[in-house]
Amino acid sequence: GAGVSQSPSNKVTEKGKDVELRCDPISGHTALYWYRQRLGQGLEFLIYFQGNSAPDKSGLPSDRFSAERTGESVSTLTIQRTQQEDSAVYLCASSPGGRGLEEKLFFGSGTQLSVL
Amino acid sequence: SQKIEQNSEALNIQEGKTATLTCNYTNYSPAYLQWYRQDPGRGPVFLLLIRENEKEKRKERLKVTFDTTLKQSLFHITASQPADSATYLCAGGSNYQLIWGAGTKLIIKP
Repeated sequence: GAGVSQSPSNKVTEKGKDVELRCDPISGHTALYWYRQRLGQGLEFLIYFQGNSAPDKSGLPSDRFSAERTGESVSTLTIQRTQQEDSAVYLCASSPGGRGLEEKLFFGSGTQLSVL
Repeated sequence: SQKIEQNSEALNIQEGKTATLTCNYTNYSPAYLQWYRQDPGRGPVFLLLIRENEKEKRKERLKVTFDTTLKQSLFHITASQPADSATYLCAGGSNYQLIWGAGTKLIIKP
């Protein structure tokens, strides 16, 4: 596709439910990131995928959070047993990858998650 | 902890003037800094990258500086226009990991 696509754009869920967020990166981009953006705060790194290497999961805030990526395409971020503090915008970004340094990121429009 | 700090107060600038935004980093030394623009309900869009060994970078009406002594980057928009109104994010890193500031909201008034 022309850009990074995320779905759904908005998700309202009840506390304790599981949610799955989807990201379609730009075709050919081997690097994929998930970030969390809370109001008034900087982007918080969650997870990084680069090709077939083991993902960097160091930013995942708890074991309720997990992410997968199928090859060098679609990624899903799953949040189990959602809590109200999980409410935020979840942003996905991709980059051409390979160098791992200085690459500019291409972001999707994000998923606004609201946990009631 | 490693931090990027940006002015949290909105910056109001008259159209045609130069807008200057500040990004300060603490407790680390990024090899490069990136600046992004974010509009409401959208993801950030890349604008400029500057490396630690570069003093200044320009792109059209945009200019960014990197001062390793002051641990600071300045982002300038000359001849500002109402369409430049947005939130501008600064991020610094040395590999794929970026530390992000919370952004400064810029408002250009006609």
